[in-house]
Amino acid sequence: NAGVTQTPKFQVLKTGQSMTLQCAQDMNHEYMSWYRQDPGMGLRLIHYSVGAGITDQGEVPNGYNVSRSTTEDFPLRLLSAAPSQTSVYFCATQRGEETQYFGPGTRLLVL
Amino acid sequence: ILNVEQSPQSLHVQEGDSTNFTCSFPSSNFYALHWYRWETAKSPEALFVMTLNGDEKKKGRISATLNTKEGYSYLYIKGSQPEDSATYLCAFFVDSNYQLIWGAGTKLIIKP
Repeated sequence: NAGVTQTPKFQVLKTGQSMTLQCAQDMNHEYMSWYRQDPGMGLRLIHYSVGAGITDQGEVPNGYNVSRSTTEDFPLRLLSAAPSQTSVYFCATQRGEETQYFGPGTRLLVL
Repeated sequence: ILNVEQSPQSLHVQEGDSTNFTCSFPSSNFYALHWYRWETAKSPEALFVMTLNGDEKKKGRISATLNTKEGYSYLYIKGSQPEDSATYLCAFFVDSNYQLIWGAGTKLIIKP
């Protein structure tokens, strides 16, 4: 089992460009989420999904879109990248109240 | 607004010493509390999921206790080793939407 995978590992964007961060899981977990991690700020929830076809906003959703067409995939789209979106992005999955499993992260630099 | 607080923010401990730190969370509508260990340049990894008041869990030299009535949990590390250096996060599980509300973490640095 691969667990939670994220691609790409690193990405450099110019301001205004768009891109999609991919997240896939093979654990059949219904709950998936996207976080960003910035120095001194811990993990902040961007968007989450409690199942296929259902998504909702977290603490910092502006500038990001998500969709959940399958249980396995939960892509995060940056619509028009800004330097403030430079961060490390983590995807995570969970079953009920049990442990969250994190992907390896995507490091994004927006110039 | 649900708030999870961790203290101290950072901690320097001599190798071999034992240490502990605190996570405070809302005492009402408790469902579960998570502890994670997060090494630099890696992803957070789960240590414990705690659900019962008075619960105590242990994994090797690391243990945790839970007091849901007063809204706090302690994480203990016995005989600290350099490999224990990491940020330790706690998170409060909200069962209405399955979200985890995260604390900012305690950064532990073990001095050889």
